[in-house]
Amino acid sequence: KNQVEQSPQSLIILEGKNCTLQCNYTVSPFSNLRWYKQDTGRGPVSLTIMTFSENTKSNGRYTATLDADTKQSSLHITASQLSDSASYICVVTRSNSGGSNYKLTFGKGTLLTVNP
Amino acid sequence: DTEVTQTPKHLVMGMTNKKSLKCEQHMGHRAMYWYKQKAKKPPELMFVYSYEKLSINESVPSRFSPECPNSSLLNLHLHALQPEDSALYLCASSRLGQGARNSPLHFGNGTRLTVT
Repeated sequence: KNQVEQSPQSLIILEGKNCTLQCNYTVSPFSNLRWYKQDTGRGPVSLTIMTFSENTKSNGRYTATLDADTKQSSLHITASQLSDSASYICVVTRSNSGGSNYKLTFGKGTLLTVNP
Repeated sequence: DTEVTQTPKHLVMGMTNKKSLKCEQHMGHRAMYWYKQKAKKPPELMFVYSYEKLSINESVPSRFSPECPNSSLLNLHLHALQPEDSALYLCASSRLGQGARNSPLHFGNGTRLTVT
């Protein structure tokens, strides 16, 4: 079954601290893995997209890693800010046998709260 | 601000009403999507339009009727909804064609729908 599991479900950290969010997946065949940030009441915003051949990608203070062999990804946030408080969603794209269509499997997200 | 614009931001409707949600993008994207998101859950795919034609319907009840008048606009017509249809409805768009599989979904900020 194609699944995306994220941990922890929620996390509270102090402003300025670093944190790491985890994503494990069983989606196959794999096309790419995405991390999205979703502020409360707003749409998700893309942070990174990694294909099979990429094992790390950065976007400012956000760094995502991918181990396609173990089917694991992490999102590391450096020097957290209050504005980082949001839900972080891991999304894995599966490529259908036809190759031209694909389907996204969403994780349930990690709710991050950054306190002053 | 997002490049995908959704209106209205909030909508309250009775079970006998007919209403429409609207979505607009001017990024030249030829794939457009409707997602439904319940509180503290990941987005669930409803419909996908590719080149203005409906390509995916995720077994959505007929009380939801999508329409894509042109490459920039996407509508969702609502009729005889149930209270359990209350949710955040997100529109998204993306590129199609060569390499598009690894391009991000651009989400709007959604319409918060309440069915009374």
